[in-house]
Amino acid sequence: DVKVTQSSRYLVKRTGEKVFLECVQDMDHENMFWYRQDPGLGLRLIYFSYDVKMKEKGDIPEGYSVSREKKERFSLILESASTNQTSMYLCASTSPATSGPNTGELFFGEGSRLTVL
Amino acid sequence: QQQVKQSPQSLIVQKGGISIINCAYENTAFDYFPWYQQFPGKGPALLIAIRPDVSEKKEGRFTISFNKSAKQFSLHIMDSQPGDSATYFCAASIFGNQFYFGTGTSLTVIP
Repeated sequence: DVKVTQSSRYLVKRTGEKVFLECVQDMDHENMFWYRQDPGLGLRLIYFSYDVKMKEKGDIPEGYSVSREKKERFSLILESASTNQTSMYLCASTSPATSGPNTGELFFGEGSRLTVL
Repeated sequence: QQQVKQSPQSLIVQKGGISIINCAYENTAFDYFPWYQQFPGKGPALLIAIRPDVSEKKEGRFTISFNKSAKQFSLHIMDSQPGDSATYFCAASIFGNQFYFGTGTSLTVIP
């Protein structure tokens, strides 16, 4: 069964703390994404990566950074957490249309709910 | 700027009724239009998807209608069931490299 695993389902952090959200996929996907989900705003793209060690900014990258040292792992980092970063964070992966058996399907993890106090 | 606009934000339907959710887009380069279903506490999961070379796709009780000239697509859920109560997201993608999501529709099916 294919899987995108987010290591932390629920986190509570204090303002100013550094936060790491880890995501691992077992489908050998090239593309990985971090989204933020807020009520009424849908899913907003924070960062994405097409390959190891590369990253691209999404629509709302401010206050976030990412790391992709291995193909299967994509980490989201909040250098100094703030209360407005309280949200649900979703990791996803897919293969691009130009390689492999591609259905175009984006596979999501279960989400990490972060509360910043 | 929202690349994909979705409506309504919430929807209440009686069991057995038809649920309809609408989406619109501007970028004609989009080549893949999926719908995702999300239950509370879970990540979104692919429900059904369509490519722009067809006008309709049906899988069981779920149908996507696609109007390329109007740049609109919609999800129809026939014979809606309480188990269909979830949040639904439409999306549009270019070659699987970029996905743009609508703001979501919270569907409640009343028994």
